[in-house]
Amino acid sequence: DVKVTQSSRYLVKRTGEKVFLECVQDMDHENMFWYRQDPGLGLRLIYFSYDVKMKEKGDIPEGYSVSREKKERFSLILESASTNQTSMYLCASSSEPYEQYFGPGTRLTVT
Amino acid sequence: QKEVEQNSGPLSVPEGAIASLNCTYSDRVSQSFFWYRQYSGKSPELIMSIYSNGDKEDGRFTAQLNKASQYVSLLIRDSQPSDSATYLCAVRSYKLSFGAGTTVTVRA
Repeated sequence: DVKVTQSSRYLVKRTGEKVFLECVQDMDHENMFWYRQDPGLGLRLIYFSYDVKMKEKGDIPEGYSVSREKKERFSLILESASTNQTSMYLCASSSEPYEQYFGPGTRLTVT
Repeated sequence: QKEVEQNSGPLSVPEGAIASLNCTYSDRVSQSFFWYRQYSGKSPELIMSIYSNGDKEDGRFTAQLNKASQYVSLLIRDSQPSDSATYLCAVRSYKLSFGAGTTVTVRA
């Protein structure tokens, strides 16, 4: 079974803090993704990576950055957290043909 | 126009009935189609994938694809209370796009 893990299930941060969300997959997948999910807005792609040290912007990259130093690990960074970044963050991984497998999610609250 | 559209529901069906979920997409070059199930407070779980026109069956689930009509559907036969969840349609063209989901409630 594919296993995607995320560093925290729940996280509370203050406005302006730097926030790191980590994701690890154990299936040697090339592709990894970060989404946020908000009520009424569905899943929105923030960034994705198709190889180590490679990254591509998704639909809503503003206010976020990512890092992929190892194939199994993909980190999402909020440089200066803001209240509008309060959301559920979901990491996913896939090989071709793009069947994505999701981690359990991190519910981030920025106060 | 949204890339992937689904009726938000809620879709309420009695236990044992067939639940029918619909999804339309805008990009004609879409290649791969997926259905995810998401329980409240949990992450999406892949339940079906379909790549060519026609039907694909997996247990109580049947996915149907009609590329000419840009339409993909999911049938859940013999619906159970455990099927109560939000079902997300996902379509791949140059990226994977998700619909907003249809909430299904199965009444015991």
